[in-house]
Amino acid sequence: DFVLTQSPDFLAVSLGERATINCKSSQSVLYSSNNKNYLAWYQQKPGQPPKLLIYWASTRESGVPDRFSGSGSGTDFTLTISILQAEDVAVYYCQQYYDIPLTFGGGTKVEIK
Amino acid sequence: EVQLVESGGGLVQPGGSLRLSCVASGFSLSSYWMNWVRQAPGKGPEWVANIKQDGSEKNYVDSVKGRFTISRDNSKNSLSLQMNSLRVEDTAVYYCARDHTGGSSQYNWFDPWGQGTLVTVSS
Repeated sequence: DFVLTQSPDFLAVSLGERATINCKSSQSVLYSSNNKNYLAWYQQKPGQPPKLLIYWASTRESGVPDRFSGSGSGTDFTLTISILQAEDVAVYYCQQYYDIPLTFGGGTKVEIK
Repeated sequence: EVQLVESGGGLVQPGGSLRLSCVASGFSLSSYWMNWVRQAPGKGPEWVANIKQDGSEKNYVDSVKGRFTISRDNSKNSLSLQMNSLRVEDTAVYYCARDHTGGSSQYNWFDPWGQGTLVTVSS
């Protein structure tokens, strides 16, 4: 199975500052035939289901603010919130869809410092 | 509005059974791979199973193989999860989630998600 390890587990960032979340896969999620990384990012607020932010590692879902960006390739990925806003307080998860079973990272909780 | 609504959760004893349902609105279920994803209290999500548009292909996480069965009724725009031989570790909120793009691939990312239904396995 693909194991996704997120770091850090917890992140406190001042309003207006940058938040950086990492996701490392135990195996490459880059599919050579189409040069796409099979990785998505989600945001989850308390009492709500996860919300899709990013897919193909860097494609922002429609309606997601452009302060959210994804980068990386192969086994190492980053979700960046460029200018943290109060409504961004949440837990963030990465997910690989390269292989079955589809798997998620353990999550990174982002709070305001 | 695209929406998924789950039902059927509740309290069940270890070894018992439960059947979850998910009704879709705002889109045709028959065009998408569909998934069940669960989330234990305080934990990250865990993908449980998915099923192809016509029901001809199904995949499961190892921990539920032989105990859970995913099915769909496209005529009713609904998805189901039959859960047998339930264990304490199956306690979680169970979400119904759609494949984002409606393609032929079983390798999905998920959007949208339902609000979830809580399954508690306890004596």
